[in-house]
Amino acid sequence: EAGVAQSPRYKIIEKRQSVAFWCNPISGHATLYWYQQILGQGPKLLIQFQNNGVVDDSQLPKDRFSAERLKGVDSTLKIQPAKLEDSAVYLCASSSFAGAETQYFGPGTRLLVL
Amino acid sequence: RKEVEQDPGPFNVPEGATVAFNCTYSNSASQSFFWYRQDCRKEPKLLMSVYSSGNEDGRFTAQLNRASQYISLLIRDSKLSDSATYLCVGTGGTSYGKLTFGQGTILTVHP
Repeated sequence: EAGVAQSPRYKIIEKRQSVAFWCNPISGHATLYWYQQILGQGPKLLIQFQNNGVVDDSQLPKDRFSAERLKGVDSTLKIQPAKLEDSAVYLCASSSFAGAETQYFGPGTRLLVL
Repeated sequence: RKEVEQDPGPFNVPEGATVAFNCTYSNSASQSFFWYRQDCRKEPKLLMSVYSSGNEDGRFTAQLNRASQYISLLIRDSKLSDSATYLCVGTGGTSYGKLTFGQGTILTVHP
């Protein structure tokens, strides 16, 4: 079974630029999550989708971050404009349904904002 | 106060040692708890679930004390390959399925 795919794996941008990350969850998984993991901290949930609907985006900085999952499969997360403090690993995870015991994480995208 | 708190360590132990990690949580509505393992520069992976009755998987034992809002992970006979960051995780709260991660505890097992 293929795992969660993410791209790009690494990205370096200057502050005020925009960047987009892509995630393809495990086939058939209805729930998709985007997490931000800053160095030395645990992952923090940014947004949770159930199919193509948003379940929780309470911790998403909506003035600069946006995410979509238009067809209920793959998803994109965008930052515009980026700030220095956005430097982090952006992890995508999926589960077969909300509340499923296991969330499967992708390898992450490492973002460095200069 | 953070929802899930862990001692970040690092813990440095010799092979064969027994090591215990502790975690506390503040949201009494949290339903389920887990330990995830994260290797350096890798993604987190589920290690085991935590139940009030205790959960044992080989050398690993996890325990939940709801009265004290306390979670533990015990690793017996440590191996070099156990070196990783161990993340304490709770669910529940405002949205179903939302995982709240602790900061993580760094373990290094040395020869």
